[in-house]
Amino acid sequence: KQEVTQIPAALSVPEGENLVLNCSFTDSAIYNLQWFRQDPGKGLTSLLLIQSSQREQTSGRLNASLDKSSGRSTLYIAASQPGDSATYLCAVRDNFNKFYFGSGTKLNVKP
Amino acid sequence: NAGVTQTPKFQVLKTGQSMTLQCAQDMNHEYMSWYRQDPGMGLRLIHYSVGAGITDQGEVPNGYNVSRSTTEDFPLRLLSAAPSQTSVYFCASTPVGHNSPLHFGNGTRLTVT
Repeated sequence: KQEVTQIPAALSVPEGENLVLNCSFTDSAIYNLQWFRQDPGKGLTSLLLIQSSQREQTSGRLNASLDKSSGRSTLYIAASQPGDSATYLCAVRDNFNKFYFGSGTKLNVKP
Repeated sequence: NAGVTQTPKFQVLKTGQSMTLQCAQDMNHEYMSWYRQDPGMGLRLIHYSVGAGITDQGEVPNGYNVSRSTTEDFPLRLLSAAPSQTSVYFCASTPVGHNSPLHFGNGTRLTVT
């Protein structure tokens, strides 16, 4: 059974810092991996999707990498801002249309 | 530009009552799914569907039923609510066979007393 782990569970940084969020998964047979943002009381918003054949994806200040063989992905946030404060979740989609989520990293960016 | 719409936003049930959580999407996505989110446990897949007339179980299906009579709608039924079903429920959709993002509704917060 696929298991997805995110470390750390919470992170507090001063504004302007570059930071890395980690996601690991136990089964490398994945279809894709996605990073989501969740604001309090809201649904999840997709930030980046990496196909199983890709190594990384970039969108603005965000860069996500994927190392399928080692079961790891990282989300890099450059020049963090208070508006980046949210919970970040990663999810893997297997080849049978099932999604498995990590429990998230709660990020607080202090002004 | 509605996307995925869930109703109701909040619901309180007594143990043993039944109810249906509604989910509708207007993006013509074949794949629809239901998740529950509990503190510290991330999202867990309850049921999913890859098209009208097709449903399958996820990780935590017990106590929940689904049906998919149209592409747009995917309701989740609780036949006899239990306190363990207190959670936030999310519906999500995406096209099948494409590397496309999963689109989420805003969730239903359910409390069972």
